[in-house]
Amino acid sequence: DAGITQSPRHKVTETGTPVTLRCHQTENHRYMYWYRQDPGHGLRLIHYSYGVKDTDKGEVSDGYSVSRSKTEDFLLTLESATSSQTSVYFCAISWSPRTSETDTQYFGPGTRLTVL
Amino acid sequence: RKEVEQDPGPFNVPEGATVAFNCTYSNSASQSFFWYRQDCRKEPKLLMSVYSSGNEDGRFTAQLNRASQYISLLIRDSKLSDSATYLCVVNKDSWGKLQFGAGTQVVVTP
Repeated sequence: DAGITQSPRHKVTETGTPVTLRCHQTENHRYMYWYRQDPGHGLRLIHYSYGVKDTDKGEVSDGYSVSRSKTEDFLLTLESATSSQTSVYFCAISWSPRTSETDTQYFGPGTRLTVL
Repeated sequence: RKEVEQDPGPFNVPEGATVAFNCTYSNSASQSFFWYRQDCRKEPKLLMSVYSSGNEDGRFTAQLNRASQYISLLIRDSKLSDSATYLCVVNKDSWGKLQFGAGTQVVVTP
């Protein structure tokens, strides 16, 4: 299994509070991604990073920000959590940005976030 | 229309039987195709890539039909441990962005 950890694994918070989720990898992969997964939807990309301090928005980035100050860590911040951000959040990593038959993304164990 | 569509199931399959299901995708420029497996409350894990000519990995066979824009997964001799949700994944562009289907649930029963 790829060396990816996420913390916390579970979190319950209240509307309006800031929340930061951490993804940590030991694989030295350059590319990192944050997704959310909701019932009836596939995983949806929130933000991704293609190197230290290089990040970009995905398809559902509103209400989220990210930072990557080290290769191994990719942080996802909800500045002011809302109930619509209740979800399961997965971090993923890849060696290359260009997916191919032999290179794709590998996922961390996920963080279950509940916003009350 | 969703970019990647899957029958959500569940497909209830007796142990030892064969099950097959498809996924359709809308982006004709997609070049990379994958099946991921996701167990309940776990992360998605790569099951297999889908090659243009089709490919097998043990009891699993994946096929790609570019003309009709669908990929398929067939599981032979189903095991109880095959019970999971199978995610169809297609690359959205050449820069690593992936499009995920919502998954097909397979339940293998004794």
